[in-house]
Amino acid sequence: DADVTQTPRNRITKTGKRIMLECSQTKGHDRMYWYRQDPGLGLRLIYYSFDVKDINKGEISDGYSVSRQAQAKFSLSLESAIPNQTALYFCATSTGQAVTGELFFGEGSRLTVL
Amino acid sequence: GDSVTQMEGPVTLSEEAFLTINCTYTATGYPSLFWYVQYPGEGLQLLLKATKADDKGSNKGFEATYRKETTSFHLEKGSVQVSDSAVYFCALSKAGGTSYGKLTFGQGTILTVHP
Repeated sequence: DADVTQTPRNRITKTGKRIMLECSQTKGHDRMYWYRQDPGLGLRLIYYSFDVKDINKGEISDGYSVSRQAQAKFSLSLESAIPNQTALYFCATSTGQAVTGELFFGEGSRLTVL
Repeated sequence: GDSVTQMEGPVTLSEEAFLTINCTYTATGYPSLFWYVQYPGEGLQLLLKATKADDKGSNKGFEATYRKETTSFHLEKGSVQVSDSAVYFCALSKAGGTSYGKLTFGQGTILTVHP
């Protein structure tokens, strides 16, 4: 089984619908992240959490919200989806130790908003 | 703010050709630098990293050297294989405090290697 699991892997929805993407991890890491990948733009940080009680906005948080239900679970919600939120979404984790900066990624959730 | 710029792609090579993917960065202080690889249908995985100037990261035949004077971290491989076909991302992480683990990514470079 994957260390970082995302569900659903693919989702097609309509404008205005509420969508939740879920992420769970078995790596025991404190830090979790949600990134969005768009062609030609690389990955951009949406939200990050350094522990269960810590939630921080990334560079493109507008239109998104998150919930850190437990150390192992971090969910991303789109309250009212719009077409320009069509993208590939990645959850990632890391340790809280200094220096490394290495992230461990899930396989991605492809979201299409019609 | 911090930024990472990669060479435009896609890059198409024949097997055993030499590969260079250019990466330059803008950041204050002394960031750590990374190359991530994304194989088709998979998430990103760390390929190599360097945490200070003049460090060389290497893995699976790939190399990159942290050049502070040119703010660059170019990825190289002497002889590519078909299995190297993937998207390659250059990234940086700022040192200090809550910055650790937050990566700034380049736009990605698609590499296709033909037999």
